[in-house]
Amino acid sequence: NAGVTQTPKFQVLKTGQSMTLQCAQDMNHNSMYWYRQDPGMGLRLIYYSASEGTTDKGEVPNGYNVSRLNKREFSLRLESAAPSQTSVYFCASRRGLLDTQYFGPGTRLTVL
Amino acid sequence: KQEVTQIPAALSVPEGENLVLNCSFTDSAIYNLQWFRQDPGKGLTSLLLIQSSQREQTSGRLNASLDKSSGRSTLYIAASQPGDSATYLCAVTKTSYDKVIFGPGTSLSVIP
Repeated sequence: NAGVTQTPKFQVLKTGQSMTLQCAQDMNHNSMYWYRQDPGMGLRLIYYSASEGTTDKGEVPNGYNVSRLNKREFSLRLESAAPSQTSVYFCASRRGLLDTQYFGPGTRLTVL
Repeated sequence: KQEVTQIPAALSVPEGENLVLNCSFTDSAIYNLQWFRQDPGKGLTSLLLIQSSQREQTSGRLNASLDKSSGRSTLYIAASQPGDSATYLCAVTKTSYDKVIFGPGTSLSVIP
């Protein structure tokens, strides 16, 4: 049981480049989430998916897109990276609203 | 809008002391409250989950309480150890949608 996995672990981009952050869970969870964590700002929700086939915006969705590819996978795409998107990105999942949320190890992204 | 605050922002205690971390939230319409631990450079690890109908949860040396009507939760750590040094975050799930709102965290340092 790998839990929640994220790739890549580290990434450096130049302004304007695009990339996709991958997340997968093997716990048969329904809900999946993408957060960013910045010093002094805490964890902020970017997008979430309450079930396969649905996605909704969180607090800070601008500049990002997501895809819930299937029940296991939830990807986050930066179409045109900006320095303000330099952050640590965490993926999380849980079975339902009443359940524990499990986190991946994070992706550390730097945009130059 | 749901806001979650945590006091204190940082705490340093000698090994063996009992300590209390505080979490406050503005909207009492929640499904549950969760306490997490985050070690430097790592993801979040769930410690305790309290449903809105519960008053407290215990796991080993940890005890979390919830007073939904006053919008408060406390995390009690008994007989602190240097290995407890980490950032502790609380998070609430609102009843109106499948989102989790995090507090800014308390950075705990336990001195040997």
